Amino acid sequence: SQTIHQWPATLVQPVGSPLSLECTVEGTSNPNLYWYRQAAGRGLQLLFYSVGIGQISSEVPQNLSASRPQDRQFILSSKKLLLSDSGFYLCAWTTGGTGELFFGEGSRLTVL
Amino acid sequence: AQTVTQSQPEMSVQEAETVTLSCTYDTSENNYYLFWYKQPPSRQMILVIRQEAYKQQNATENRFSVNFQKAAKSFSLKISDSQLGDTAMYFCAFTDSGAGSYQLTFGKGTKLSVIP
Repeated sequence: SQTIHQWPATLVQPVGSPLSLECTVEGTSNPNLYWYRQAAGRGLQLLFYSVGIGQISSEVPQNLSASRPQDRQFILSSKKLLLSDSGFYLCAWTTGGTGELFFGEGSRLTVL
Repeated sequence: AQTVTQSQPEMSVQEAETVTLSCTYDTSENNYYLFWYKQPPSRQMILVIRQEAYKQQNATENRFSVNFQKAAKSFSLKISDSQLGDTAMYFCAFTDSGAGSYQLTFGKGTKLSVIP
């Protein structure tokens, strides 16, 4: 069966520090991968998606970036965090078909 | 651009009663999927139910059912025999099945509290 893992689950970082959130999918190949951010009262905002290795599409201009170094690995990064980067980050995957996304457990980022 | 609107930020229901969560969407596409996701306090998003736009029959999953009105672009979720474990944020979501990237557009969510 397919599984998705995100880490770390919780992260507290000072302003200006770097960020790396990792997401790995198991049990499937060539998935579409997504990073969403959830802020209170604002639902889920799509940040990046990838349809293949090295292919990244950005939905929102910001100081975050994403990379897909392997087929089932998706990384969210920042060189210098801002206070506004605080939030709950969700990784998700799909192989199409019925269109539904499968989500990871999420990563809570607090920037102080 | 597609938009999804959930007009009820918070709702509450007595245990064992029925509650309906509202969702409307806007799209010019004819083929698409609609979803309801549940996010309990543990925070992991879980799919509750899915509806294909080309199907006229409303989807049902145990105590969960939808009322899909394509012409009105409405997609409400009915929860019957509400249970304490149904307490969660509920998100309505849309994807254009022809896009290939399968990006989901979410509403802002409805916080449902089931009262014992």
